[in-house]
Amino acid sequence: DADVTQTPRNRITKTGKRIMLECSQTKGHDRMYWYRQDPGLGLRLIYYSFDVKDINKGEISDGYSVSRQAQAKFSLSLESAIPNQTALYFCATSEPGGVKETQYFGPGTRLLVL
Amino acid sequence: QKEVEQDPGPLSVPEGAIVSLNCTYSNSAFQYFMWYRQYSRKGPELLMYTYSSGNKEDGRFTAQVDKSSKYISLFIRDSQPSDSATYLCAMSPPGSARQLTFGSGTQLTVLP
Repeated sequence: DADVTQTPRNRITKTGKRIMLECSQTKGHDRMYWYRQDPGLGLRLIYYSFDVKDINKGEISDGYSVSRQAQAKFSLSLESAIPNQTALYFCATSEPGGVKETQYFGPGTRLLVL
Repeated sequence: QKEVEQDPGPLSVPEGAIVSLNCTYSNSAFQYFMWYRQYSRKGPELLMYTYSSGNKEDGRFTAQVDKSSKYISLFIRDSQPSDSATYLCAMSPPGSARQLTFGSGTQLTVLP
């Protein structure tokens, strides 16, 4: 089984709808992240969490919210989806390790907002 | 101007060729440098990391950092069709290894 799983893998929604993307991990890591990937722009950080009680905004948090329900679960919500939120969304996890800290990515959720 | 610039390609090479992938950056505070490989419809996976300037070799892969020029490279020797993927550079300041700034990725195809 994959260490970092994301559901759904694909989602089509309409402008104005609320949607939630979910991430679960079995790696036992405290740190979790949400990124979006757009062609030509690479990966950009939306939110990150260092433990259940810690939530931090990333580079592009506007229009998004997150919930860290447990060490293993980190959800991303789009309260009112808009077309420019169409992108590939990745969840990642890591454990503190200084220079060697590695982020492990899930398989991604492809979101289309019509 | 983006903090990290990466030629998006696409880059096509014959099997066995030496591949050079590059990124430039503008933030002189970056100290940790990484290369991620992303296969189609998969999440990125860490390929190599280096700290500060210098070279690091791992099998057919060599990562090179030139901080004076703000330029990093990934070389792939004896490239294989299985190396076909998008390669993303990423970097961060010291103490912030978790807050990565990514390049946009270079799409590589190795032709058999």
